Amino acid sequence: AQSVDQPDAHVTLYEGASLELRCSYSYSAAPYLFWYVQYPGQSLQFLLKYITGDAVVKGTKGFEAEFRKSNSSFNLKKSPAHWSDSAKYFCALEGQGTGSKLSFGKGAKLTVSP
Amino acid sequence: EAAVTQSPRSKVAVTGGKVTLSCHQTNNHDYMYWYRQDTGHGLRLIHYSYVADSTEKGDIPDGYKASRPSQENFSLILELASLSQTAVYFCASSDAAANTEVFFGKGTRLTVV
Repeated sequence: AQSVDQPDAHVTLYEGASLELRCSYSYSAAPYLFWYVQYPGQSLQFLLKYITGDAVVKGTKGFEAEFRKSNSSFNLKKSPAHWSDSAKYFCALEGQGTGSKLSFGKGAKLTVSP
Repeated sequence: EAAVTQSPRSKVAVTGGKVTLSCHQTNNHDYMYWYRQDTGHGLRLIHYSYVADSTEKGDIPDGYKASRPSQENFSLILELASLSQTAVYFCASSDAAANTEVFFGKGTRLTVV
């Protein structure tokens, strides 16, 4: 079985601050991990992925994520945050040999105030 | 640019009625998916397909059927719509390879009354 947990349903910060959205996963083998973003009224857009190799992966829109096997986490980071980053962010896991079927976390709604 | 188009974008259906949600992709992708999103939840996989004329059950297939008549088209069918199926439905596609980006449609907001 595989699962993804995003413990912070709502995150609020001011523009210019550093943002970090937490994601933890449960999977018996090496996971493929993704972050997607959903802007209000829009569909999900790919931000970045971790397959193997470097623990820190960089994605679009200035985001990066750090994979930590030791505590099964894949946290999303950006500094500084901008008001346009306000959106809902989803962490997702793809199990090996499952094609591109994703298991999603519940998402984190990020609000960045000007 | 990769494109996944869903229709309709919103629909109100009557309990017990039949609902068909359609999805068309121009990405030339082999894999297509149907997810549902409920308030306070992430997306959950309903059905998916690796190839035309074949569909597979996802994590929550009960109450849903799927049809993949061609590589480009993938439909989700609710034979007897129920109140619990009120949700936003997303269609998506991806390349045949694993660990690849998935492209999502804009979603269909279904309300069952």
